[in-house]
Amino acid sequence: SQQGEEDPQALSIQEGENATMNCSYKTSINNLQWYRQNSGRGLVHLILIRSNEREKHSGRLRVTLDTSKKSSSLLITASRAADTASYFCATDVRANQAGTALIFGKGTTLSVSS
Amino acid sequence: SAVISQKPSRDICQRGTSLTIQCQVDSQVTMMFWYRQQPGQSLTLIATANQGSEATYESGFVIDKFPISRPNLTFSTLTVSNMSPEDSSIYLCSVVGGDSSYEQYFGPGTRLTVT
Repeated sequence: SQQGEEDPQALSIQEGENATMNCSYKTSINNLQWYRQNSGRGLVHLILIRSNEREKHSGRLRVTLDTSKKSSSLLITASRAADTASYFCATDVRANQAGTALIFGKGTTLSVSS
Repeated sequence: SAVISQKPSRDICQRGTSLTIQCQVDSQVTMMFWYRQQPGQSLTLIATANQGSEATYESGFVIDKFPISRPNLTFSTLTVSNMSPEDSSIYLCSVVGGDSSYEQYFGPGTRLTVT
């Protein structure tokens, strides 16, 4: 079964706007990772946030983690058409065993129009 | 990070046949993982492949249908056997990065269509 549930399932915005995607999970985690997938291709690793971290930045990406609510959010600022893709969150399949396989959320499909 | 390649990148196969997908990593890794992504869906773990031991399969996946080999620390194969149209998916391999960050990296995927 899916560990993470992203919302919204689909998001359409204009270039320059910010996009926020949310992810909820069910069990305790070591890390939570965000990925981007363009048009059914391979996954690109965006960012990993550890369970003892609350916020992490990478370029135009900002990820937050709230372990009390078992949720994370991915914010893309000043979006571009090239950000059009599906975004997935993923956590360790085996709770308390980092570095093992991942279980993925259903993903958010982001469409950025110019 | 790790650089991962997969072959073939895509294939169209007839039902009842088998396809072997190769995954090559540019560094030695202990564990390799195989995932399936059905059309419009998220990724589902098929199995974990450790070098020198039998692969560990997730619920709903069996060795007879998805035999896996792991002959060394940089290479693995996944075979999709006796294919049916329901096997049409993207198949991806992944590894955990060599540092202690636990970041997991994915190959470009193999897009399989079964007719």
